[in-house]
Amino acid sequence: EPEVTQTPSHQVTQMGQEVILRCVPISNHLYFYWYRQILGQKVEFLVSFYNNEISEKSEIFDDQFSVERPDGSNFTLKIRSTKLEDSAMYFCASRLGTGGTLSSGYTFGSGTRLTVV
Amino acid sequence: AQTVTQSQPEMSVQEAETVTLSCTYDTSESDYYLFWYKQPPSRQMILVIRQEAYKQQNATENRFSVNFQKAAKSFSLKISDSQLGDAAMYFCAASNFGNEKLTFGTGTRLTIIP
Repeated sequence: EPEVTQTPSHQVTQMGQEVILRCVPISNHLYFYWYRQILGQKVEFLVSFYNNEISEKSEIFDDQFSVERPDGSNFTLKIRSTKLEDSAMYFCASRLGTGGTLSSGYTFGSGTRLTVV
Repeated sequence: AQTVTQSQPEMSVQEAETVTLSCTYDTSESDYYLFWYKQPPSRQMILVIRQEAYKQQNATENRFSVNFQKAAKSFSLKISDSQLGDAAMYFCAASNFGNEKLTFGTGTRLTIIP
């Protein structure tokens, strides 16, 4: 079964450093997402991406965050200057399309645990 | 805006018994979708079951079924014949048709007692 692949599985970074979280969505999927889960809390939407541009972003997704699909297969989340409160699990997800295909739900990656020290 | 509420932070059930996890939601949309996701200790998000709001029939997937009460905006998950592998955090989630970001509840931690 096709998978969404995220790398690395765990990243430790110093406060103020830039990090790039990488995702390879399912190849024929068109919609891409990043979600965040702070330890012990609920999963929160960060950003959605379609047709090479951001379609929606949350209040969390401020100027420190950016997303990119540089080569048609990878989908990256960059945090420019990490803060302690950015420590969380970051999930990438992809989805094929709209309408009836939405009901199949998202496919989530296994997440990247980001620890900012 | 959507909201999803899970009022049970923790639940436990004896192995082989049945347990129901509660979820209520609020949305002004007429077309929307509801999901239950399972998050085991590995923290991966695994889709358990999904329901389209326009379908009156409750979704079922093997031992998992939902009780979808559209008027009451309730979407509970029933797990029959509970197994040790069902132990996990369960998240209820909703998305609107056309704006398909997921809004999650705060989760219910399910413990299976052998």
